[in-house]
Amino acid sequence: NAGVTQTPKFQVLKTGQSMTLQCAQDMNHNSMYWYRQDPGMGLRLIYYSASEGTTDKGEVPNGYNVSRLNKREFSLRLESAAPSQTSVYFCASSEPRQLEGLFFGSGTQLSVL
Amino acid sequence: QKEVEQNSGPLSVPEGAIASLNCTYSDRGSQSFFWYRQYSGKSPELIMFIYSNGDKEDGRFTAQLNKASQYVSLLIRDSQPSDSATYLCAVLSGGYNKLIFGAGTRLAVHP
Repeated sequence: NAGVTQTPKFQVLKTGQSMTLQCAQDMNHNSMYWYRQDPGMGLRLIYYSASEGTTDKGEVPNGYNVSRLNKREFSLRLESAAPSQTSVYFCASSEPRQLEGLFFGSGTQLSVL
Repeated sequence: QKEVEQNSGPLSVPEGAIASLNCTYSDRGSQSFFWYRQYSGKSPELIMFIYSNGDKEDGRFTAQLNKASQYVSLLIRDSQPSDSATYLCAVLSGGYNKLIFGAGTRLAVHP
């Protein structure tokens, strides 16, 4: 069981470039999430998808878009990367209402120069 | 005021001692509380969750919840060097279907 798989693990972009972070889960969870983690600020929610076909903004959605492609896959797109988006990005999944918490992917270290 | 607050640490304890990690939260309607452990360069992994006031034990770990005082704590008994990590407190707020994380407390267990 792979759990939650994220790609790529590392990425360097130039300001203004675009990219998509991919996430897939094989736990049959309905809900999926994208977080960013910055030093001293903890994990902040970017977007989430409570179920297939729905997406909602989290705490820091500006500069990002998401697509819930199917129940397994939830992608995060940066249309025009900015240095402020340098961060570690985590995808996570859970059952509805997160009664047993989130299960995280291994993360993507993104640097925007 | 941050929604979920933790002392950033580092909290340094000797091997074999009890490590006590604390977390306070602002939303009185919060229903569920979680502790995650995160090793450097790795993703968070769930240690425990607690819903009801009181203590919940799992091996060397005990989570304590006091909703009236709006705090949740994690005790680690017989601390080991392998417990050295950042511990994240997360709270499921009453009005939202998402977890709010604290910034984490770094724990260092020295031999």
